[in-house]
Amino acid sequence: DAGVTQSPTHLIKTRGQQVTLRCSPISGHKSVSWYQQVLGQGPQFIFQYYEKEERGRGNFPDRFSARQFPNYSSELNVNALLLGDSALYLCASSLSGVGSSGANVLTFGAGSRLTVL
Amino acid sequence: GESVGLHLPTLSVQEGDNSIINCAYSNSASDYFIWYKQESGKGPQFIIDIRSNMDKRQGQRVTVLLNKTVKHLSLQIAATQPGDSAVYFCAEYRQGAQKLVFGQGTRLTINP
Repeated sequence: DAGVTQSPTHLIKTRGQQVTLRCSPISGHKSVSWYQQVLGQGPQFIFQYYEKEERGRGNFPDRFSARQFPNYSSELNVNALLLGDSALYLCASSLSGVGSSGANVLTFGAGSRLTVL
Repeated sequence: GESVGLHLPTLSVQEGDNSIINCAYSNSASDYFIWYKQESGKGPQFIIDIRSNMDKRQGQRVTVLLNKTVKHLSLQIAATQPGDSAVYFCAEYRQGAQKLVFGQGTRLTINP
């Protein structure tokens, strides 16, 4: 069975550009969460989506947005890129909302490494 | 403020020894505490979790201890193997916020 798949795996952008990252959850999983992991730090929560609705938002500026599609895949968009947006962007999926049956249901993808020059 | 932090950023152990990775947290309202392992080029991988109403939980070669009095969490890995080399994160789950809060991480290296 395929796990959480993310694309692209690596990308390079310049300041001011826009980027779209994609995530396909595990088959049957209806919830997708996005995390940003800056080098040397732990992941930080950006968004959670469940059944195509935003269920949680972290402390990130409005330049960050996301959506979930009817097939439960998700996109993360970042506008007006800054150097500080360089990070590994992780997508995680779960059957339902995190915590409904234990926090351990989150399965992470390998991430999309974004470099902003 | 709320935070999940780690006492040590790096830990080196001899192969076959036991490893203990520590974590401090500040939010006593968390529902779960989880340990993740992250290898180079991969996303975090779930190791073990513990509910906030428990003190100890054991898995295969791993044990998590929770001391709510001093808000301390630890991960014990028995008979450490080369494949255990990774960065280990503690995280707390806050159900109301529907998110995981991760600590900075501890890099575990295994000496042959």
